[in-house]
Amino acid sequence: GQNIDQPTEMTATEGAIVQINCTYQTSGFNGLFWYQQHAGEAPTFLSYNVLDGLEEKGRFSSFLSRSKGYSYLLLKELQMKDSASYLCAVRDGNYQLIWGAGTKLIIKP
Amino acid sequence: KAGVTQTPRYLIKTRGQQVTLSCSPISGHRSVSWYQQTPGQGLQFLFEYFSETQRNKGNFPGRFSGRQFSNSRSEMNVSTLELGDSALYLCASSWGYEQYFGPGTRLTVT
Repeated sequence: GQNIDQPTEMTATEGAIVQINCTYQTSGFNGLFWYQQHAGEAPTFLSYNVLDGLEEKGRFSSFLSRSKGYSYLLLKELQMKDSASYLCAVRDGNYQLIWGAGTKLIIKP
Repeated sequence: KAGVTQTPRYLIKTRGQQVTLSCSPISGHRSVSWYQQTPGQGLQFLFEYFSETQRNKGNFPGRFSGRQFSNSRSEMNVSTLELGDSALYLCASSWGYEQYFGPGTRLTVT
């Protein structure tokens, strides 16, 4: 079966750096996505990786290793507003999006 | 450009009833996907429509159905509601690889 694993919850301190990992096993691969979802709101797009390597976008970076079935989202200079759930999703060989259960990130002052 | 809209935003139904949810995608987007989101389960893919054709379908029973109209608006229907159908139903439209989500419809089945 297809599977995406990410930690259920993480805690970090304001101003620090946090890395949220995502491992996947899918039938085919056509890209990996990270979305942010604040409580009670819809998910919003953060990043897209289809080739190995690091994609940087401001305070957020996303890394992909297709051979290891692994990705991480790196958040720098954490702010209280970064408290949210972070969803990892993989587009499989049939172009269907498979979603992880999400990582709830708690930022403490 | 207006975002993805979903109606209604909140709905309370009784077991055994049926429900229809509506989604209007961003203008120009021809792909619409539907998801069910419950606490701890994450987003579960229901189906995807593109130009009025169902392109992909998730592992949900036949009680869940959908359709897309020529103007790209989409509806999903759930018949014979069960308590376990209580969830947030999200619609997303896309042009290219990025999906844009609507605010969702919160369905409560009692």
